Amino acid sequence: DAGVIQSPRHEVTEMGQEVTLRCKPISGHNSLFWYRQTMMRGLELLIYFNNNVPIDDSGMPEDRFSAKMPNASFSTLKIQPSEPRDSAVYFCASMGRQETQYFGPGTRLLVL
Amino acid sequence: GENVEQHPSTLSVQEGDSAVIKCTYSDSASNYFPWYKQELGKRPQLIIDIRSNVGEKKDQRIAVTLNKTAKHFSLHITETQPEDSAVYFCAASPSGGSNYKLTFGKGTLLTVNP
Repeated sequence: DAGVIQSPRHEVTEMGQEVTLRCKPISGHNSLFWYRQTMMRGLELLIYFNNNVPIDDSGMPEDRFSAKMPNASFSTLKIQPSEPRDSAVYFCASMGRQETQYFGPGTRLLVL
Repeated sequence: GENVEQHPSTLSVQEGDSAVIKCTYSDSASNYFPWYKQELGKRPQLIIDIRSNVGEKKDQRIAVTLNKTAKHFSLHITETQPEDSAVYFCAASPSGGSNYKLTFGKGTLLTVNP
């Protein structure tokens, strides 16, 4: 079991650039979650999918953020255009029938 | 929506002592309460969870208690060790159906001094 895989692990970009974060959930898991973690706001749920369908995107900050899950083994979180306040660690987590969420290693994003 | 409050924000104990972290939640529909441990620079990892049909659950040195009437739950770590030093997060979820949205507390930085 490879666990949840995220890429890239680190991303440094300049304000205004597009950023795409990628996630591969654990095989067989049918729910996928995107979180953002900052010192000020803690762990925040951005969006989650069940069976590839977005269920709750109320945590997505604004229209600059979008997420897709084209199939059961892949999801992306895109920020366009990126801003310095988007700097954070972005975690993807997946969940199977046992209702335990398993987190990926995270992507550390720095927007200059 | 759900709101989870966690206290204290920092906790320092001597090795071998017990540590207690408390959380309260607002949504009476919540019925699943996991605790995650996050070491510096690492991912959050589940250490124990409890559901609303159970009042207490133990796993070796870790225990969680739940009081649904008062809407609070607590994490107890006994015989603390330096490797227990980390940030601990509580969370709450309504569970069931298609709603598995976890709301996290702000975290407790636990330091175990040798």
